[in-house]
This record gives sequence, C-alpha cells and structure tokens, in this order.
Amino acid sequence: GAGVSQTPSNKVTEKGKYVELRCDPISGHTALYWYRQSLGQGPEFLIYFQGTGAADDSGLPNDRFFAVRPEGSVSTLKIQRTERGDSAVYLCASSLSAGITEAFFGQGTRLTVV
Amino acid sequence: SQQGEEDPQALSIQEGENATMNCSYKTSINNLQWYRQNSGRGLVHLILIRSNEREKHSGRLRVTLDTSKKSSSLLITASRAADTASYFCATLHGGSGNTGKLIFGQGTTLQVKP
Repeated sequence: GAGVSQTPSNKVTEKGKYVELRCDPISGHTALYWYRQSLGQGPEFLIYFQGTGAADDSGLPNDRFFAVRPEGSVSTLKIQRTERGDSAVYLCASSLSAGITEAFFGQGTRLTVV
Repeated sequence: SQQGEEDPQALSIQEGENATMNCSYKTSINNLQWYRQNSGRGLVHLILIRSNEREKHSGRLRVTLDTSKKSSSLLITASRAADTASYFCATLHGGSGNTGKLIFGQGTTLQVKP
C-alpha cells in the first residue's frame, strides 16, 4: 500500500474486554514497530518485529499485551482484560531496516477503555 | 523508559523567526532521528543523522549532533505557521546493545504565530 494503515482508527471498549489492533505496513518493510502515546507524551516503545519474529518486546508493559506478525507483514497487537490505564493512541510504524532507515508511521488507533 | 529529553518543552515564536529545539540522550547511539507530529496522530520523519556525522541540512532544517555531549539540536529557519507541531527526537542505541529499537523523547511543542 501507499503507507502504513492502522485499523480501527478509534476503538471504545469496556474495562475487562479483549481488543485487537491491526497494522498493515508498507510492502517490503521488514521492520515493524508498535508504540503507545498518551496525551502530551512522546511515543513509548512497546515491541518491534524483524520479519516474523519479535526482535525486542521489552516495552510491553505486562502479560496482558501481546503482538504477532505471523507472515512478516500484517501485525496485530492484542490486549487482554483491558484497563482504563490502557487508554492511549497506539501507533504502528514500519521501516526497510530496523532503526537504520526512517520509520513510516500510521495514523494510529485511539483506544478508549471505559 | 525514554532515552531522549527535549528542551524546551514548549516554544512560541513569530512567523519568520528561527526555532531551535534540543535533544539530550543517555547512551551511545547509532543514529538520531527527528520527527514531527501535527495535532492528529501520525509522525513524519524529518531527518536522520548518523553518529559519525556532525551536521545535516534538509531545506529549512538544520540538525547538529555532538556525541561528546550526547546532544542534538534541530533548527528551523524562517518559520511558518504551518511549522506549528510537536517535534520529537528518536535514538537508535549503538554498540553491543543495538537492537534496532527506536526510542523517542518527550517532544517540543512549537507554535508559530502568523
């Protein structure tokens, strides 16, 4: 595609529910990043993939968060038992080579847990 | 945890003036990148400077890097109202700890008044 696509753009869910956020990276980009951004803060690193494998998941806050990229393209960020503190904008980015080249960001998914 | 710290946190200038934003970081880096974010959500890559470079230009943007001081600056010359946005630096860790992980700072919010 022309750019990084994230769906949905907005998601409202009840506390305790499970949510999935999807990211379609730019075709051919091997690296894919997930970030979380709260109002007035910088993007907080969650996880990045090189191909199908999670190269660094040190930013995932706890075991309620999980991400997959089974075919090395589309990625899904999964959040179980959502809490109000999970409310944020979740950003996805992709790049040709992890960190060495520029990252292209999607428009994000705004998650609101009520 | 965040790697970079930008200062100032907020900057307000008149159109036509220059804007300077600074970024400090803590560990050795492979490269440092600057991104812009309009109110909305996607980040846009502006410029990448490698650890062996000291200065880089792109249009009205000038970036410097001082690895001895672990700091970088972004200068926007002849600012325009359309430059109003948040600006973030992001660092890729260098050395044996290089995982390809891009870490963002907290950002500088720039307002350019017409």
